[in-house]
Amino acid sequence: DQQVKQNSPSLSVQEGRISILNCDYTNSMFDYFLWYKKYPAEGPTFLISISSIKDKNEDGRFTVFLNKSAKHLSLHIVPSQPGDSAVYFCAASDGQGAQKLVFGQGTRLTINP
Amino acid sequence: GAGVSQSPRYKVAKRGQDVALRCDPISGHVSLFWYQQALGQGPEFLTYFQNEAQLDKSGLPSDRFFAERPEGSVSTLKIQRTQQEDSAVYLCASSLAVLNTDTQYFGPGTRLTVL
Repeated sequence: DQQVKQNSPSLSVQEGRISILNCDYTNSMFDYFLWYKKYPAEGPTFLISISSIKDKNEDGRFTVFLNKSAKHLSLHIVPSQPGDSAVYFCAASDGQGAQKLVFGQGTRLTINP
Repeated sequence: GAGVSQSPRYKVAKRGQDVALRCDPISGHVSLFWYQQALGQGPEFLTYFQNEAQLDKSGLPSDRFFAERPEGSVSTLKIQRTQQEDSAVYLCASSLAVLNTDTQYFGPGTRLTVL
């Protein structure tokens, strides 16, 4: 069963506009959530994270929102830049001695000039 | 500073061959993870080391997969008698300590193709 789901395989956004990437999870034991960004032929790079005790975390152009009741998180990128074009993975961990990350399938974001 | 490195970057194996994939974590990082990423999917957990101790191997798909980290630094993932379904990118990650909030830093991966 897919515990972390990213239902949009791809997203296209115009440069300067807001990009919103979505992620849903099913495991209520997850208490820490992350977004990773991946360029071709490279490993995933950590972008931003959020603990389950918060509902928002902001870092520059990137903001992650967590809605625990809906088991949903989203990543907002404002303003979007061409260098943001990459595959974005949502990931979660449950913190009960289990550091392993459970990843979604990824969303390919393309920023158009 | 140096990040996580993996070698080889690409490996082609004939079905039935054994392969060994190497991971050099960031110096001083206690935790080391292996993930498998199939085409078009997200990474999937294989195994976890805390120093030299393999604390979780629940994600290893079969007994053909074996991982070790004998001195608590470099790790090797070995796949015996490779099958076509083993074709994937194998990612290694390390983190400084043992909390789930410690950031995992990933290497570039080894792309394994089994013919």
